[in-house]
Amino acid sequence: KQEVTQIPAALSVPEGENLVLNCSFTDSAIYNLQWFRQDPGKGLTSLLLIQSSQREQTSGRLNASLDKSSGRSTLYIAASQPGDSATYLCAATHNNAGNMLTFGGGTRLMVKP
Amino acid sequence: DAGVTQSPTHLIKTRGQQVTLRCSPKSGHDTVSWYQQALGQGPQFIFQYYEEEERQRGNFPDRFSGHQFPNYSSELNVNALLLGDSALYLCASSFREGNTIYFGEGSWLTVV
Repeated sequence: KQEVTQIPAALSVPEGENLVLNCSFTDSAIYNLQWFRQDPGKGLTSLLLIQSSQREQTSGRLNASLDKSSGRSTLYIAASQPGDSATYLCAATHNNAGNMLTFGGGTRLMVKP
Repeated sequence: DAGVTQSPTHLIKTRGQQVTLRCSPKSGHDTVSWYQQALGQGPQFIFQYYEEEERQRGNFPDRFSGHQFPNYSSELNVNALLLGDSALYLCASSFREGNTIYFGEGSWLTVV
């Protein structure tokens, strides 16, 4: 059974700092891994999708990496801004499990002005 | 291009009642999944529909049922509501498997 863990559960940084959010998964037979952002009381916004054959994906100030052999993914946020404050969730889909996403518990990020 | 839309946004039900939540997928998407998210936790997979059939199901009791219509929209039904069913219910859509999955804003269900 796939288990996804995100550490830390909460993070507070000053504006402008570069930061890394961590995601680990127990079963390396993943199909892809997706990072989401969730603002309080809202739905999920897709940030980046990494296919199992890829090592990383970039979008603006965001860069996500995937290392299947170690069961890890990281989300790098450059030059953080107060508007980046939200909960960040990673989720994996598993081979032969269709589109079923297994989520981590999320990292709640606060960027202070 | 409208994204995933869900209704209602908020609702309050009494224990033992039944509820129906609705979802319209993003244009061009044919696969719809439902998730339950308790406060402070990551979403939990309930089930997935493709071609009007339930293709996968998570660890949820039979009180949770669903349906997908020919236009790919979907409904989630929960019978005999329990206090523990209070949560944010999220609908997600995609085109087939392996592609980016998009979520709606969710339906907040409170059971009293």
